[in-house]
Amino acid sequence: GENVEQHPSTLSVQEGDSAVIKCTYSDSASNYFPWYKQELGKRPQLIIDIRSNVGEKKDQRIAVTLNKTAKHFSLHITETQPEDSAVYFCAASIYNTDKLIFGTGTRLQVFP
Amino acid sequence: ETGVTQTPRHLVMGMTNKKSLKCEQHLGHNAMYWYKQSAKKPLELMFVYNFKEQTENNSVPSRFSPECPNSSHLFLHLHTLQPEDSALYLCASSQGQGGNEKLFFGSGTQLSVL
Repeated sequence: GENVEQHPSTLSVQEGDSAVIKCTYSDSASNYFPWYKQELGKRPQLIIDIRSNVGEKKDQRIAVTLNKTAKHFSLHITETQPEDSAVYFCAASIYNTDKLIFGTGTRLQVFP
Repeated sequence: ETGVTQTPRHLVMGMTNKKSLKCEQHLGHNAMYWYKQSAKKPLELMFVYNFKEQTENNSVPSRFSPECPNSSHLFLHLHTLQPEDSALYLCASSQGQGGNEKLFFGSGTQLSVL
């Protein structure tokens, strides 16, 4: 069946450094790739998404890149801050369904 | 506040109990979802409703029974659960088809089955 693999499972960085989280997906027809951030004890919230007709999207310190040929996409956070500490989930759509398949999450810790 | 409200926030139940989880969205969305979140596992889609019609049932055991009386309300009825069903149950809504739309999540119900 369709799946999404996410790496690393944990990531620790110093404040100000960059963080990169990578995901690969199996369904070549997937066309929507969102990223959700879940702070401890809170609900997941969408931080950025990308559709298959573009290769990169940026929103201030956050960017997502998509390589459709290799079927992988990545989240890039620059100038990390302690408030970026959270679990980040990637996801990929299943073509022509209401389904999103999520990755297992990456726990990011940003140390001051 | 995202406009998706779930009750109760916490629930402890025995394996023979019957309980219900409630979700309400105030965003005017057409689709609603139940997700299960267990430790060290991906978010698992359980059910999807589009315009009150169930469009996805992700091979969920029959001890979980969803109900969607209208586009704003979603219930998950629980009976004869197992300890492995203990998890955070998240409700979400979206404007259109969830595979391509932003999901708005509720705060979840933390369920413990004894």
